[in-house]
Amino acid sequence: EPEVTQTPSHQVTQMGQEVILRCVPISNHLYFYWYRQILGQKVEFLVSFYNNEISEKSEIFDDQFSVERPDGSNFTLKIRSTKLEDSAMYFCASRATLDRGWYNEQFFGPGTRLTVL
Amino acid sequence: KQEVTQIPAALSVPEGENLVLNCSFTDSAIYNLQWFRQDPGKGLTSLLLIQSSQREQTSGRLNASLDKSSGRSTLYIAASQPGDSATYLCAVKGNTDKLIFGTGTRLQVFP
Repeated sequence: EPEVTQTPSHQVTQMGQEVILRCVPISNHLYFYWYRQILGQKVEFLVSFYNNEISEKSEIFDDQFSVERPDGSNFTLKIRSTKLEDSAMYFCASRATLDRGWYNEQFFGPGTRLTVL
Repeated sequence: KQEVTQIPAALSVPEGENLVLNCSFTDSAIYNLQWFRQDPGKGLTSLLLIQSSQREQTSGRLNASLDKSSGRSTLYIAASQPGDSATYLCAVKGNTDKLIFGTGTRLQVFP
């Protein structure tokens, strides 16, 4: 069964360093998302991406964050200068495009645990 | 602004019990609602998707119902097993292409 994959599973970095989190969405999906979950808190939406551009972003997704689809399979989240409060589990998700549009479900990857020291 | 709440926050039951998890949302203008399972330190596994026009969806021992007008959904788990122990999250999609998640219900099923 097709699934969303993410690498690495765990990333440890020093405050101020740049990190890139990688995701491979399900192959025929066209909508991509990043969410994050700070330990003990709700899963929060960060950004959605379609047709090589951001379609929506949350207040969390400031200038320190960027997303890219560098090739036909990968979808990346970059944090330019990490802060302690960026420590969280980051989830990638993807969704197919069907006639029902927004009615179809999002499939999530296993997550990348980011620890900023 | 959409708010999603889940009660109870935690539940501990003996194996074999039927149980109900609750999810409520403040804005009834939703496209769909998804129930997820999350194991400790792991990702989100989609369990059921229920469209705004539907009243319920079933998958195996799971049954999700939706009452959009009252802003409620329930996840019914029949004949619970220790392997059902996990956190269960509900999430709604409104008129933008993002999911808004609830706080989760942590379920423990003991033998």
